[in-house]
Amino acid sequence: NAGVTQTPKFQVLKTGQSMTLQCAQDMNHNSMYWYRQDPGMGLRLIYYSASEGTTDKGEVPNGYNVSRLNKREFSLRLESAAPSQTSVYFCASSLTGRETQYFGPGTRLLVL
Amino acid sequence: DQQVKQNSPSLSVQEGRISILNCDYTNSMFDYFLWYKKYPAEGPTFLISISSIKDKNEDGRFTVFLNKSAKHLSLHIVPSQPGDSAVYFCAARYAGNNRKLIWGLGTSLAVNP
Repeated sequence: NAGVTQTPKFQVLKTGQSMTLQCAQDMNHNSMYWYRQDPGMGLRLIYYSASEGTTDKGEVPNGYNVSRLNKREFSLRLESAAPSQTSVYFCASSLTGRETQYFGPGTRLLVL
Repeated sequence: DQQVKQNSPSLSVQEGRISILNCDYTNSMFDYFLWYKKYPAEGPTFLISISSIKDKNEDGRFTVFLNKSAKHLSLHIVPSQPGDSAVYFCAARYAGNNRKLIWGLGTSLAVNP
């Protein structure tokens, strides 16, 4: 089992560029999450998906869109990147009804 | 306003001694608490959890204590090992169907040989 995988590991963007962060899990989990981690801010939830075909906003959804492509995959899209979106992005998944979330290794994004 | 607070940004402990990491919360609707460990350049990994109906949960060298009246939980690591050096996050879940977790800012633990 690979667990939760994320691509790319690192990305540099210019302001205004777009990109999609990919996440996949092979644990047959129903729920998936996108977080960002910034210094002094802890982990903040951007979007989550309780099941295939559903998505909901978290604490900091502005500037992002998500797609739950199928049960395995949950992507995060930045349509027009801004320097404030420089962060480390983590994807996580969990079984429905279970609190424990399993995290991917993260994507480091730098927006110039 | 932080609903889950880890007031110590860092902690340094000698190898073999006890490490105590603290977490305070403000919302009495939290019903489940988790501790995660994070190494640099890796994602957080689940360590141990506790339901609000219990006051203690133990797993090997790791024990979590919950004091509901004080809205306080603590993670004890005994004995501490250099490999325990990491950032530890406390997280809490609201009771009910909402599965979202609220996270603390983390405490960086350094275990010195």
